[in-house]
Parts: sequence; structure tokens; C-alpha cells
Amino acid sequence: QVQVKQSGTEVKKPGASVKVSCQVFGHTLSDLSLHWVRQAPGKGLEWMGGFDPEDGATVYAQTFLDRVKMTEDSSTATASMELSRLTSDDTAVYFCAAGLPFKPLAYWGQGSLVAVS
Amino acid sequence: DIQLTQSPSTLSASVGHRVTITCRASRTLSGWLAWYQQKPGKAPKLLISKASNLESGVPSRFSGSGSQTEFTLTITSLQPDDVATYYCQHYNIYTPWTFGPGTKVEV
Repeated sequence: QVQVKQSGTEVKKPGASVKVSCQVFGHTLSDLSLHWVRQAPGKGLEWMGGFDPEDGATVYAQTFLDRVKMTEDSSTATASMELSRLTSDDTAVYFCAAGLPFKPLAYWGQGSLVAVS
Repeated sequence: DIQLTQSPSTLSASVGHRVTITCRASRTLSGWLAWYQQKPGKAPKLLISKASNLESGVPSRFSGSGSQTEFTLTITSLQPDDVATYYCQHYNIYTPWTFGPGTKVEV
């Protein structure tokens, strides 16, 4: 059974950066395609980026292209998402989610709240 | 990038009734469409992949259909536990992924 556990709540000031991490249990991280999705309060889901198994590289949504970085460490089964130049619009719950290659997101973390104020 | 729209944005139906949610894409998805259910305060749950493949453990009252640019999620007999927001998602590896805006289902 795959489990995804995320880091806790972060409170940041505008202009700062935040790093959210997650750890995958029950499956080899390198055999999964890991993505990040965020949800602002009362809003819908927004895909930020994820691993493309075809190219072997991370693909980012255009909206975040110049200020997001996603990394993985297979040795610790940990993934991280760093978002820079934060504004109040970045206040959201950030989800780490994974699926088998070429499949949608079957495994989700519990979400990490990032508050920018 | 591919844009997804969903209709209706909100729907209310009685227990036991049939419910249909439509997802339309700005261009053909070749079947690379998934449906998720999200309950308040929880992470989304994958219901359907490849437009019509029901995920293991998902009740059979949920079904998906469609192709090209128009897809539907149907709940054949709405239950109180189905109160949630439902999202469609495009996940073709050759283009950035996107989610639809969501449909809130009330019972």
C-alpha cells in the first residue's frame, strides 16, 4: 500500500521562498511519476508540474516556470517542491501526488498548508 | 495548453437519482482523461482513468465515458456519501496537465 506523507504548515512573508517535501512509503520512488498540485482556499485544483517518464525530466506549468523547482532523492524516497518570490496569491494547500508512469494520480499526500502573509 | 470546462458547476439531486457531469476539452485528449472526487478538507481520490476505467475499490455506481473532446462522469444512484466536488483532469504526457474547474455535488 502506497502512502505519501508531507511536511507541515509553513507561514512565510511575501518575497520569501518555501520548500515543501513529501516521503513515499510502500513503493520505489523512482518507479513512480511524482507531481505537485495546489489548491487555494475555496478554489479548484491547480497542477504545478511533475515528472515526465517519456523524457525523464520534470515538466512545469507555464504559470510557475520561472519560480518553482521540483526535486527527488530516491535514496530517501523524498521529493521536494520549492516555490520562490511568494505573494499572498500563493496561499494554498500544496499536495504531493504520484502515479505509475503514464497513469493519473492514484496516491496523494495529506496536503501542506502554505500561508503567505 | 489544453483547457477543460465542466458543467454544471453545481448540482443538487436526491438520493437514488442519476447524476451526470460533463467535461469538455479545448482539443482532443485521445482518452487521457481522469476523474477525481474531493471531499472537504481531504485530498482528491482517483475514480476513473483513461476516460472509462474504474479504479479498484470505487463503487460500480460511478462510470465514465466519452472520447475526443467530450467526456462524462455518471453516478447511477446518488448516495449521501457522494457529496463532494468532482474534477476532470487531462494527463497526456506530451502536454502540460490540467484540471477542470470542478463540479460540486449536493444531495
